[in-house]
Amino acid sequence: SYELTQPPSVSVSPGQTASITCSGDKLGDKYACWYQQKPGQSPVVVMYQDSKRPSGIPERFSGSNSGNTATLTISGTQAVDEADYYCQAWDSGTVVFGGGTILTVL
Amino acid sequence: QVQLVESGGGVVQPGRSLRLSCAASGFSLSSCTMHWVRQAPGKGLEWVTFISYDGRNKYYADSVRGRFTISRDNSKNMVYLQMNSLRAEDTAVYYCARMDSGDPYRGFDYWGQGTLVTVSS
Repeated sequence: SYELTQPPSVSVSPGQTASITCSGDKLGDKYACWYQQKPGQSPVVVMYQDSKRPSGIPERFSGSNSGNTATLTISGTQAVDEADYYCQAWDSGTVVFGGGTILTVL
Repeated sequence: QVQLVESGGGVVQPGRSLRLSCAASGFSLSSCTMHWVRQAPGKGLEWVTFISYDGRNKYYADSVRGRFTISRDNSKNMVYLQMNSLRAEDTAVYYCARMDSGDPYRGFDYWGQGTLVTVSS
């Protein structure tokens, strides 16, 4: 079955750029989505079709996808961005999630 | 506004059954594929199943195929998850989530608040 691999954790200082990667076989040939989940809350989509931001998502969030890696980038990271982030893609008619990355802003 | 509200969770013994419901409002259910996604305590998201907008197509994760059944009633704006032969590893918060049937690559744009299922003797 298809797998998406994310780093377990990423740390970033306030105001700096955070990059969260998601790796999968030929992931660049698929569309990747990203979700943000804060403690006790349901996930929220922050990026879809690799690099499109849903309405209401700050411009500091951006995305890319090429080769085997999709990347979610948060520029000028703020304390409010501290959360778990999950990538997601479709494969053979099923949905696949990455294992998740804990983003710590310190 | 769009709302998805899950219900039916609770504590159940291993081997027993449980039926989850998801009540949709604020949009036309018939225009969306509907999914169930679960999250075990302290763990990541795991996709469970989805049903096409018209109910004709259903897909399942390997971990639940043959035990879980998804269904929908567009006339009642409801989606269901029948869970049989439950195991301890099925313990999780179960989320109902929607996806535009015309553009599945937009991702899950709305999620419910989740309902907790605990499988324990």
